[in-house]
Parts: sequence; structure tokens; C-alpha cells
Amino acid sequence: DQQVKQNSPSLSVQEGRISILNCDYTNSMFDYFLWYKKYPAEGPTFLISISSIKDKNEDGRFTVFLNKSAKHLSLHIVPSQPGDSAVYFCAAPYSGGGADGLTFGKGTHLIIQP
Amino acid sequence: DTGVSQDPRHKITKRGQNVTFRCDPISEHNRLYWYRQTLGQGPEFLTYFQNEAQLEKSRLLSDRFSAERPKGSFSTLEIQRTEQGDSAMYLCASSLGQVTGGTEAFFGQGTRLTVV
Repeated sequence: DQQVKQNSPSLSVQEGRISILNCDYTNSMFDYFLWYKKYPAEGPTFLISISSIKDKNEDGRFTVFLNKSAKHLSLHIVPSQPGDSAVYFCAAPYSGGGADGLTFGKGTHLIIQP
Repeated sequence: DTGVSQDPRHKITKRGQNVTFRCDPISEHNRLYWYRQTLGQGPEFLTYFQNEAQLEKSRLLSDRFSAERPKGSFSTLEIQRTEQGDSAMYLCASSLGQVTGGTEAFFGQGTRLTVV
């Protein structure tokens, strides 16, 4: 059962424009959400997180928005740069028995076109 | 390099053989995690340690999988009697605190296992 869903396998955006990556979740008890970025042949790297008590968190070009009523979050990248081309994963705490792990979506491959 | 280190980076093995992967976390990190990633999927949580204690192992995929962290430093993940379905990227991560509380987890580059 996929508790975190990323329904867009890929997204192509022109350099300089805004990239918007979406994520839906099913468990209303999640209290933290995270975004990770992954380049080929590398492990995922942490990008930004948001607590469920907030609706927005910003870090430089990256902003995450949380809409709890819709169980939806989005990552905005403005302006998009070629180095942003990567796979982006949405993640939330794994909800099995209090274990300290993360459950990830399938990822969205962001391609920044020059 | 003070990041998370995994060895080997690639492993090709014949079905039925045992394999062992090693993970060296960032030195001051007391939490260590193992994940598996298959093609087109996100990382899948397997198990984790706080120091040498394995606090979750119900997510290990079968009894052929086992993990250890004997001295609270490096960890090993062993797969016995490998099957073709075990082919995947095995990722290790470490952190200073609970990742479910928002603490950043640092991932290694992974070990890619191919079972032929």
C-alpha cells in the first residue's frame, strides 16, 4: 500500500521557469514530510522538509507547500537551473510500529531544458 | 571523505550464493538505516540501528536477509541464497537523530546487486 504517491514519473521544465513537483499521501497522522533529490549513481540527498504544523517552508530557491485537508504537498523550484535535473522523492515517516524509517514515493524525474 | 561509505559499489552473484554488503556511516551518527530500491520505485525501508541495537527488523524482506552492527559503527547486510528478485540497489543511510522527527538522513551511494 503506497502511502506516499507521486503520480508524475517525469516533468520537463524550461530553464529559468518554475518547477512544481507534486506528492499525495494517505495517512493523516504523518507529522513530517521530506523531499530528497537523487542524481544518477548517487544516493539520495536531503533537500527540504516541512512539519505538519506548518503550511509552507522555504529554503532559497526551494519552497514546500503543505495542504493537509487535501493530503497534498508540492515542491516549488524557482528559478529552475540545469543542475536541478534529477529524480525527486517525497517521503514521510514510516508508520509501522514507531520505527524510525521513511516511506518514499516512486519519484519524479525532473528535466530542465536549456 | 566523511560521508556514508558503502562497499562494494557493484556486486554480481549467481543465484543461490550468499552476499554481504558493508556500510560505514558518518562517524558521529548513532543511527544507521538500510533501504532497498528497485527500478522505478523509491527507496524501501528495511531495518535500522541505534548504536548496536537493531530496533526494527520486521521490514526485512525474508529470513534470508539479516543485518548487524556489532560495535555500533559499521554495519553489514547479508542476503543468503540469493534469488533473481533480490536484484536491486541497497542503500545505507545514517543520522544523528530520528529521521521521522525531521533529522536529515545522509545516504551512501549504494550497492547495486545483480543476481544472475
